[in-house]
Amino acid sequence: EIVLTQSPATLSLSPGERATLSCRASQSISNSLAWYQQKPGQAPRLLIYDVSTRATGIPGRFSGSGSGTDFTLTISSLEPEDLAVYYCQQRFRWPPLTFGGGTKVEIK
Amino acid sequence: QVQLVQSGAEVKKPGDSVRVSCKASGYTFSSYTIHWVRQAPGQRLEWMGRINSGNGNTEYSQSFQGRLTITRDTSATTAYMELSSLRSEDTALYFCARDLLTAFYYFDYWGQGTLVTVFS
Repeated sequence: EIVLTQSPATLSLSPGERATLSCRASQSISNSLAWYQQKPGQAPRLLIYDVSTRATGIPGRFSGSGSGTDFTLTISSLEPEDLAVYYCQQRFRWPPLTFGGGTKVEIK
Repeated sequence: QVQLVQSGAEVKKPGDSVRVSCKASGYTFSSYTIHWVRQAPGQRLEWMGRINSGNGNTEYSQSFQGRLTITRDTSATTAYMELSSLRSEDTALYFCARDLLTAFYYFDYWGQGTLVTVFS
Protein backbone atom coordinates (compact mmCIF):
# COMPACT_ATOMS: atom_id res chain seq x y z
CA GLU A 1 0.00 0.00 0.00
CA ILE A 2 1.30 3.46 -0.89
CA VAL A 3 1.46 5.75 2.14
CA LEU A 4 1.05 9.50 1.67
CA THR A 5 2.50 11.81 4.33
CA GLN A 6 1.34 15.42 4.43
CA SER A 7 3.06 18.34 6.11
CA PRO A 8 2.65 20.49 8.00
CA ALA A 9 -0.30 19.20 10.00
CA THR A 10 -1.54 22.76 10.50
CA LEU A 11 -0.75 25.97 8.64
CA SER A 12 -1.80 29.32 10.09
CA LEU A 13 -1.55 32.26 7.69
CA SER A 14 -3.08 35.67 7.07
CA PRO A 15 -5.29 36.54 4.09
CA GLY A 16 -3.19 37.38 1.05
CA GLU A 17 -0.28 35.17 2.11
CA ARG A 18 1.02 32.23 0.10
CA ALA A 19 0.28 28.73 1.42
CA THR A 20 2.53 25.81 0.53
CA LEU A 21 1.31 22.31 1.41
CA SER A 22 3.42 19.19 0.97
CA CYS A 23 2.56 15.56 0.20
CA ARG A 24 5.22 12.85 0.12
CA ALA A 25 4.62 9.32 -1.22
CA SER A 26 6.27 6.19 0.17
CA GLN A 27 7.28 5.25 -3.39
CA SER A 28 7.20 6.91 -6.78
CA ILE A 29 3.69 7.55 -8.04
CA SER A 30 4.61 9.33 -11.28
CA ASN A 31 2.01 12.10 -11.75
CA SER A 32 -0.93 10.17 -10.28
CA LEU A 33 -1.86 12.59 -7.52
CA ALA A 34 -4.90 14.69 -6.69
CA TRP A 35 -5.69 17.33 -4.07
CA TYR A 36 -9.02 17.82 -2.29
CA GLN A 37 -10.37 20.58 -0.07
CA GLN A 38 -12.74 19.69 2.77
CA LYS A 39 -14.46 22.54 4.56
CA PRO A 40 -16.04 21.97 7.98
CA GLY A 41 -19.21 19.90 7.73
CA GLN A 42 -18.86 19.33 3.99
CA ALA A 43 -17.75 16.58 1.64
CA PRO A 44 -14.34 16.90 0.01
CA ARG A 45 -14.06 18.86 -3.23
CA LEU A 46 -11.64 17.98 -6.02
CA LEU A 47 -9.17 20.82 -6.61
CA ILE A 48 -6.33 19.39 -8.69
CA TYR A 49 -5.71 16.06 -10.44
CA ASP A 50 -2.73 14.54 -12.22
CA VAL A 51 -0.52 16.81 -10.09
CA SER A 52 -1.32 20.10 -11.80
CA THR A 53 -4.65 20.03 -13.69
CA ARG A 54 -7.26 22.20 -12.01
CA ALA A 55 -10.71 20.67 -11.77
CA THR A 56 -13.70 22.48 -13.26
CA GLY A 57 -14.49 25.75 -11.51
CA ILE A 58 -11.40 25.84 -9.30
CA PRO A 59 -9.87 29.34 -8.95
CA GLY A 60 -6.48 30.03 -10.45
CA ARG A 61 -4.92 30.75 -7.06
CA PHE A 62 -4.74 26.98 -6.53
CA SER A 63 -1.87 25.22 -8.28
CA GLY A 64 -0.08 21.90 -7.99
CA SER A 65 3.41 20.72 -8.80
CA GLY A 66 5.83 17.84 -8.26
CA SER A 67 6.56 14.38 -9.54
CA GLY A 68 7.77 11.02 -8.31
CA THR A 69 7.45 11.16 -4.52
CA ASP A 70 7.22 14.87 -3.64
CA PHE A 71 4.25 17.07 -4.42
CA THR A 72 3.08 20.56 -3.51
CA LEU A 73 -0.22 22.36 -3.44
CA THR A 74 0.16 26.14 -3.51
CA ILE A 75 -2.51 28.69 -2.71
CA SER A 76 -0.98 31.87 -4.12
CA SER A 77 -2.99 34.39 -2.12
CA LEU A 78 -5.04 33.03 0.74
CA GLU A 79 -8.71 33.98 0.97
CA PRO A 80 -10.81 33.63 4.15
CA GLU A 81 -12.94 30.96 2.45
CA ASP A 82 -9.85 28.76 2.00
CA LEU A 83 -10.16 27.69 5.64
CA ALA A 84 -10.28 23.90 5.27
CA VAL A 85 -8.42 20.64 5.51
CA TYR A 86 -6.55 19.67 2.35
CA TYR A 87 -5.92 16.04 1.39
CA CYS A 88 -3.77 14.45 -1.27
CA GLN A 89 -4.75 11.15 -2.93
CA GLN A 90 -2.85 8.74 -5.19
CA ARG A 91 -4.17 6.49 -7.94
CA PHE A 92 -0.87 5.05 -9.13
CA ARG A 93 -1.12 1.69 -7.41
CA TRP A 94 -4.41 0.31 -6.19
CA PRO A 95 -6.33 -1.19 -4.60
CA PRO A 96 -6.34 0.55 -2.33
CA LEU A 97 -6.50 4.15 -3.47
CA THR A 98 -4.98 6.07 -0.56
CA PHE A 99 -5.17 9.52 0.98
CA GLY A 100 -2.77 11.58 3.03
CA GLY A 101 -3.51 12.55 6.60
CA GLY A 102 -4.44 16.11 5.71
CA THR A 103 -3.18 19.66 6.32
CA LYS A 104 -5.45 22.04 8.16
CA VAL A 105 -5.24 25.62 6.89
CA GLU A 106 -6.19 28.22 9.47
CA ILE A 107 -6.74 31.88 8.67
CA LYS A 108 -5.25 34.34 11.15
CA GLN B 1 -26.52 19.34 -12.38
CA VAL B 2 -24.77 16.29 -11.03
CA GLN B 3 -26.04 15.23 -7.61
CA LEU B 4 -25.38 12.29 -5.34
CA VAL B 5 -27.90 12.05 -2.50
CA GLN B 6 -27.26 9.54 0.25
CA SER B 7 -29.60 7.88 2.71
CA GLY B 8 -29.89 9.06 6.30
CA ALA B 9 -27.89 8.41 9.44
CA GLU B 10 -27.88 4.93 10.95
CA VAL B 11 -27.31 3.63 14.47
CA LYS B 12 -26.30 -0.02 14.69
CA LYS B 13 -25.14 -2.56 17.25
CA PRO B 14 -21.91 -4.54 16.96
CA GLY B 15 -22.44 -7.50 14.65
CA ASP B 16 -25.19 -5.79 12.65
CA SER B 17 -25.08 -4.90 8.97
CA VAL B 18 -25.74 -1.49 7.43
CA ARG B 19 -26.79 -0.55 3.91
CA VAL B 20 -26.28 2.97 2.61
CA SER B 21 -27.74 4.16 -0.68
CA CYS B 22 -26.46 6.80 -3.09
CA LYS B 23 -29.00 8.18 -5.58
CA ALA B 24 -27.36 9.74 -8.64
CA SER B 25 -28.89 12.30 -10.98
CA GLY B 26 -27.85 14.82 -13.61
CA TYR B 27 -25.65 12.51 -15.69
CA THR B 28 -25.63 9.14 -17.43
CA PHE B 29 -25.37 6.80 -14.44
CA SER B 30 -23.93 3.79 -16.28
CA SER B 31 -21.03 5.80 -17.72
CA TYR B 32 -19.25 6.51 -14.43
CA THR B 33 -17.76 4.44 -11.65
CA ILE B 34 -19.01 5.07 -8.11
CA HIS B 35 -16.60 4.82 -5.20
CA TRP B 36 -17.21 4.57 -1.47
CA VAL B 37 -14.94 6.43 0.96
CA ARG B 38 -15.27 6.68 4.71
CA GLN B 39 -13.96 9.10 7.32
CA ALA B 40 -13.73 7.93 10.92
CA PRO B 41 -13.50 10.61 13.62
CA GLY B 42 -10.06 12.18 13.54
CA GLN B 43 -8.86 9.79 10.82
CA ARG B 44 -7.85 10.25 7.23
CA LEU B 45 -10.16 9.49 4.35
CA GLU B 46 -10.24 5.75 3.61
CA TRP B 47 -11.17 4.29 0.23
CA MET B 48 -13.41 1.25 0.59
CA GLY B 49 -14.22 0.07 -2.91
CA ARG B 50 -15.81 0.89 -6.23
CA ILE B 51 -18.37 -0.32 -8.71
CA ASN B 52 -18.47 0.11 -12.46
CA SER B 53 -22.03 1.34 -12.79
CA GLY B 54 -22.26 -0.01 -16.35
CA ASN B 55 -21.21 -3.64 -15.98
CA GLY B 56 -21.42 -3.99 -12.20
CA ASN B 57 -17.78 -5.02 -11.73
CA THR B 58 -16.50 -4.29 -8.25
CA GLU B 59 -13.20 -3.92 -6.49
CA TYR B 60 -12.68 -3.71 -2.74
CA SER B 61 -9.98 -2.67 -0.36
CA GLN B 62 -8.54 -5.72 1.37
CA SER B 63 -9.26 -3.98 4.67
CA PHE B 64 -12.93 -4.86 4.14
CA GLN B 65 -12.66 -8.21 2.36
CA GLY B 66 -15.59 -10.41 3.19
CA ARG B 67 -17.55 -7.66 4.94
CA LEU B 68 -18.20 -5.18 2.13
CA THR B 69 -20.60 -5.48 -0.78
CA ILE B 70 -21.20 -2.72 -3.32
CA THR B 71 -24.08 -3.04 -5.76
CA ARG B 72 -26.04 -0.83 -8.08
CA ASP B 73 -29.50 -0.60 -9.60
CA THR B 74 -29.21 1.04 -12.99
CA SER B 75 -32.97 1.54 -13.36
CA ALA B 76 -32.98 3.49 -10.09
CA THR B 77 -29.59 5.16 -10.80
CA THR B 78 -28.60 4.20 -7.29
CA ALA B 79 -25.51 2.59 -5.80
CA TYR B 80 -25.49 0.74 -2.50
CA MET B 81 -22.83 -0.03 0.09
CA GLU B 82 -23.44 -2.80 2.59
CA LEU B 83 -21.02 -3.43 5.44
CA SER B 84 -21.56 -6.44 7.68
CA SER B 85 -20.25 -7.64 11.06
CA LEU B 86 -20.06 -4.05 12.25
CA ARG B 87 -17.72 -3.11 15.07
CA SER B 88 -17.21 0.13 16.96
CA GLU B 89 -14.28 1.04 14.69
CA ASP B 90 -16.73 1.22 11.76
CA THR B 91 -18.29 4.35 13.26
CA ALA B 92 -17.64 6.90 10.53
CA LEU B 93 -19.05 9.23 7.92
CA TYR B 94 -19.55 7.25 4.71
CA PHE B 95 -19.40 9.01 1.34
CA CYS B 96 -20.18 7.91 -2.17
CA ALA B 97 -18.21 9.70 -4.85
CA ARG B 98 -18.29 9.72 -8.63
CA ASP B 99 -15.21 8.98 -10.66
CA LEU B 100 -13.93 11.90 -12.71
CA LEU B 101 -14.15 9.79 -15.87
CA THR B 102 -15.22 6.21 -16.50
CA ALA B 103 -12.23 4.85 -14.59
CA PHE B 104 -9.87 7.65 -13.65
CA TYR B 105 -9.84 7.01 -9.91
CA TYR B 106 -10.19 10.60 -8.83
CA PHE B 107 -13.49 11.80 -7.38
CA ASP B 108 -15.24 14.84 -8.80
CA TYR B 109 -18.69 14.73 -7.15
CA TRP B 110 -19.46 13.53 -3.64
CA GLY B 111 -22.58 12.67 -1.71
CA GLN B 112 -23.35 14.59 1.45
CA GLY B 113 -22.18 11.71 3.67
CA THR B 114 -24.05 9.24 5.86
CA LEU B 115 -23.10 8.94 9.51
CA VAL B 116 -23.03 5.35 10.73
CA THR B 117 -22.69 4.94 14.49
CA VAL B 118 -21.94 1.53 15.97
CA PHE B 119 -22.33 1.12 19.71
CA SER B 120 -23.76 -1.29 22.15
